[in-house]
Amino acid sequence: GQQLNQSPQSMFIQEGEDVSMNCTSSSIFNTWLWYKQDPGEGPVLLIALYKAGELTSNGRLTAQFGITRKDSFLNISASIPSDVGIYFCAGHGGTSYGKLTFGQGTILTVHP
Amino acid sequence: DSGVTQTPKHLITATGQRVTLRCSPRSGDLSVYWYQQSLDQGLQFLIQYYNGEERAKGNILERFSAQQFPDLHSELNLSSLELGDSALYFCASSVEGIETQYFGPGTRLLVL
Repeated sequence: GQQLNQSPQSMFIQEGEDVSMNCTSSSIFNTWLWYKQDPGEGPVLLIALYKAGELTSNGRLTAQFGITRKDSFLNISASIPSDVGIYFCAGHGGTSYGKLTFGQGTILTVHP
Repeated sequence: DSGVTQTPKHLITATGQRVTLRCSPRSGDLSVYWYQQSLDQGLQFLIQYYNGEERAKGNILERFSAQQFPDLHSELNLSSLELGDSALYFCASSVEGIETQYFGPGTRLLVL
């Protein structure tokens, strides 16, 4: 089945620093999504990517759909304390209908 | 607020029991998805319904079943519960079936 490797598993940064995380897949995806999850809450959509090479921003967040369609990157600039949470990448492949495959998550801690 | 609602928020039950989790999708969304999130397995896709019909199946146990009703709300039935079924159960919805999914707040199930 499809596998997603997300890295790093966790990050401890100072407020104001930039953050980068990425996901790689063993197979091609048609859609890449990035979600943020706070403890005990549902994942909240941050950015959706639909085309290889696409670069999309949402405020301080920027994500890219890799050209090979097997990877995606999320960058957070000038981190703030409320960026704390778990970030998940998710991919959708064309033959799997709506099924999303999720990465293992990156736990982000921001020190004030 | 994603517009997806789930009830109950918390559920505590005993092994061998049966429970029903309920989900109402965003207004206008025809597709509903169920996911299970446990500490050791991450977010796992269980099943998808589209306009009342099962569309895709993931790692759903035979003890689990789901349905989507004419008003598009969905229920996930978990029976013969085991300790290992303790997890967060999320519902997500999308307009048709292959686009961006929006998640509800989840139901936390604890089996004692």
